[in-house]
Amino acid sequence: GAVVSQHPSRVICKSGTSVKIECRSLDFQATTMFWYRQFPKKSLMLMATSNEGSKATYEQGVEKDKFLINHASLTLSTLTVTSAHPEDSSFYICSARPGLADQETQYFGPGTRLLVL
Amino acid sequence: EDQVTQSPEALRLQEGESSSLNCSYTVSGLRGLFWYRQDPGKGPEFLFTLYSAGEEKEKERLKATLTKKESFLHITAPKPEDSATYLCAVQAWEYGNKLVFGAGTILRVKS
Repeated sequence: GAVVSQHPSRVICKSGTSVKIECRSLDFQATTMFWYRQFPKKSLMLMATSNEGSKATYEQGVEKDKFLINHASLTLSTLTVTSAHPEDSSFYICSARPGLADQETQYFGPGTRLLVL
Repeated sequence: EDQVTQSPEALRLQEGESSSLNCSYTVSGLRGLFWYRQDPGKGPEFLFTLYSAGEEKEKERLKATLTKKESFLHITAPKPEDSATYLCAVQAWEYGNKLVFGAGTILRVKS
């Protein structure tokens, strides 16, 4: 149980284009989903927290207009990198937290590797 | 000051050589401490959640323990497939739902 998927797993795009990454909780409902960014050989950096049906909460230094987050349902959150630039190239990972039964544990997706040319 | 510190940064073990990884934390009002395993190019895989001092959890060759200031991940008779980066994260009342991650310990087990 507690499986989280991400799509796509890898994406290459041209500078200036937008890229959408999907995060789905497959076997549970997630009241809260999180988006992280990970640089090579570094730990995870939280970008934003999203709650179903409400606006995402962004961490300090993360541009809201650049990284659009939509938590449309209890099983789906999307991250759109708008007008991507090479410095946005990174490994993006989402996580989801189930409701009631297991309040605190976050389960992570497999990650999406973004390369902006 | 780092709230979560993991040591050592890297650890090399021979197959069968047991050892422990450390995660010390300075947050107040701990809600939970989490251990994850991360393989290169993959997302973190959940291992354990610990909520209170004195709690212990086991899974195969891994055992996690928690005190008021730190957690240990004990690896008994490791195998090469245990090689990975082990991440510790804490959740505290002062941070709400957020996880604060340590930098991780890179474990290499040689046969």
